[in-house]
Amino acid sequence: AAGVIQSPRHLIKEKRETATLKCYPIPRHDTVYWYQQGPGQDPQFLISFYEKMQSDKGSIPDRFSAQQFSDYHSELNMSSLELGDSALYFCASSLAQAPTNEKLFFGSGTQLSVL
Amino acid sequence: QQQVKQSPQSLIVQKGGISIINCAYENTAFDYFPWYQQFPGKGPALLIAIRPDVSEKKEGRFTISFNKSAKQFSLHIMDSQPGDSATYFCAASSAQGAQKLVFGQGTRLTINP
Repeated sequence: AAGVIQSPRHLIKEKRETATLKCYPIPRHDTVYWYQQGPGQDPQFLISFYEKMQSDKGSIPDRFSAQQFSDYHSELNMSSLELGDSALYFCASSLAQAPTNEKLFFGSGTQLSVL
Repeated sequence: QQQVKQSPQSLIVQKGGISIINCAYENTAFDYFPWYQQFPGKGPALLIAIRPDVSEKKEGRFTISFNKSAKQFSLHIMDSQPGDSATYFCAASSAQGAQKLVFGQGTRLTINP
């Protein structure tokens, strides 16, 4: 079965550079969530989209922005990167119809390292 | 402020034993409580989930016990196997929160052969 696809798998950037992470949800899934997971930490919710509109916002820095496109894929744009942005970034998708809307399926993540 | 508190932080169990991980929450709006299993370098994978209208749910060797009045829930892994060694996260969500998951701090489980 198709899963959530994230790219790139690994990304190395310098401080103050920009990065773009991509997420392709499971086919027919209309909701995308972005999470940030630091080493040894639990995933922290950043932002979510439903039908290309932002549905919820968490602890996402102003330097970050995201959007969901017409084909439902999503991109997380990160600017002025800081050392503390180094983390695993996960995308999850779901189908927004109860009860399936509760089941979030995660991708394998993008490991971002800021040097 | 951690909305979902998980314990223990790490757990070592002998093969064949029972692994028990506990979680507590404060937000009474939460109405969905999943457990996720995560292997190193991988994304969290849904293991089992429960809604507050039942007190227990069992799927194979995995059981969730739910205590609504105490606002606590736990994961029991019966006949624990070395392949169960992973980090386990409890989580909670609500329709009010657009179903975004709030995770516990995680438990690193090691099953000794």
